[in-house]
Amino acid sequence: NAGVMQNPRHLVRRRGQEARLRCSPMKGHSHVYWYRQLPEEGLKFMVYLQKENIIDESGMPKERFSAEFPKEGPSILRIQQVVRGDSAAYFCASSPGGSGYGYTFGSGTRLTVV
Amino acid sequence: GQQLNQSPQSMFIQEGEDVSMNCTSSSIFNTWLWYKQDPGEGPVLLIALYKAGELTSNGRLTAQFGITRKDSFLNISASIPSDVGIYFCAGRKTSYDKVIFGPGTSLSVIP
Repeated sequence: NAGVMQNPRHLVRRRGQEARLRCSPMKGHSHVYWYRQLPEEGLKFMVYLQKENIIDESGMPKERFSAEFPKEGPSILRIQQVVRGDSAAYFCASSPGGSGYGYTFGSGTRLTVV
Repeated sequence: GQQLNQSPQSMFIQEGEDVSMNCTSSSIFNTWLWYKQDPGEGPVLLIALYKAGELTSNGRLTAQFGITRKDSFLNISASIPSDVGIYFCAGRKTSYDKVIFGPGTSLSVIP
């Protein structure tokens, strides 16, 4: 029973390039959440998605960032024209429902912008 | 902005000692969660609390949901080296709301 799978584990991008982070939720989980963690800080909520729907994107920067969770395939967090400040660990979590469940997290993708 | 506060920010303790850390919020939460994060990994759920006053244990860990619903604490008894890591409290205001994380308490255990 695989957990939440994120790939790649490490991603290096030059300024101005695009970064695509993938998240496959646990089997049977239809809710996905993305969080960003800067060094020495806690996790900051970015976006909450169900299949084909964005439920809450209140933590997403207004520009360059987008997320999707298609009917088939993993959830994707996309960062266009990356800047050095985007360097962080991005964690995906999933849950079987939106009501009251604790999340299961993946191991994260560490994005470094050079 | 940041809505959860954790204290202490960091702790250094001797192996075998008990540990206590807490989390406070300016808002009422209906769910409190405690996670542990090891270096280079994602957070792992330790304990979930769903009711004011609830006291729940998971092995050497015990957590309580404060009566005011604005705080929670986590105790670790007889600490061991593998307890080292960062402990995050997290909470949600309603059942369908997103989970908000505190800034974390860093625990170091001296053998």
